[in-house]
Amino acid sequence: AQSVTQLDSHVSVSEGTPVLLRCNYSSSYSPSLFWYVQHPNKGLQLLLKYTSAATLVKGINGFEAEFKKSETSFHLTKPSAHMSDAAEYFCVRYSSASKIIFGSGTRLSIRP
Amino acid sequence: EAQVTQNPRYLITVTGKKLTVTCSQNMNHEYMSWYRQDPGLGLRQIYYSMNVEVTDKGDVPEGYKVSRKEKRNFPLILESPSPNQTSLYFCASSQDLTFRRGTGELFFGEGSRLTVL
Repeated sequence: AQSVTQLDSHVSVSEGTPVLLRCNYSSSYSPSLFWYVQHPNKGLQLLLKYTSAATLVKGINGFEAEFKKSETSFHLTKPSAHMSDAAEYFCVRYSSASKIIFGSGTRLSIRP
Repeated sequence: EAQVTQNPRYLITVTGKKLTVTCSQNMNHEYMSWYRQDPGLGLRQIYYSMNVEVTDKGDVPEGYKVSRKEKRNFPLILESPSPNQTSLYFCASSQDLTFRRGTGELFFGEGSRLTVL
């Protein structure tokens, strides 16, 4: 079965330092992968998406992710964390026109 | 403003008392879906609808019903709620998950926190 695995349930970084949130997917011919962010008491918002046009994808708020087929990974990064980045992040896969698979989420905390 | 609206946002009820969580979108989206979010489990799909009068089960449909009589509305019905349905529920919509006619982006409501005693 197709799946998405977020390797860390909680990541804590200092403000101004890089962020790395890890996501691996089960192999597929052509996965559609997304990162969504959920701020406290809010719905999810799209950060970025991979749809095979380019392996390095840029999203909103300075986030980007790189699709690596050889590693079946789609890690989310940001060069410098900001306090407003504190939220929960979900790696998401569309496996068909109707089937959507969410990772279990990574909670990002930012230390002042 | 483009949005997905859920009501109620918070609800405490008792076992067996039927309730409906409404979801409405103003973007003329064809695809709508319901999810429940539980700690450590991410979001799990309950039901989805590809268009009016077309609904199908997701991963955790037991204890839930839906209907799609109009394009903009997709209510979630709990006929006889039980404590294991205590959760945070999200409705989402999208123009097209296949990217043929849109970005594939899912637009989410702000969530409905349900407690069943």
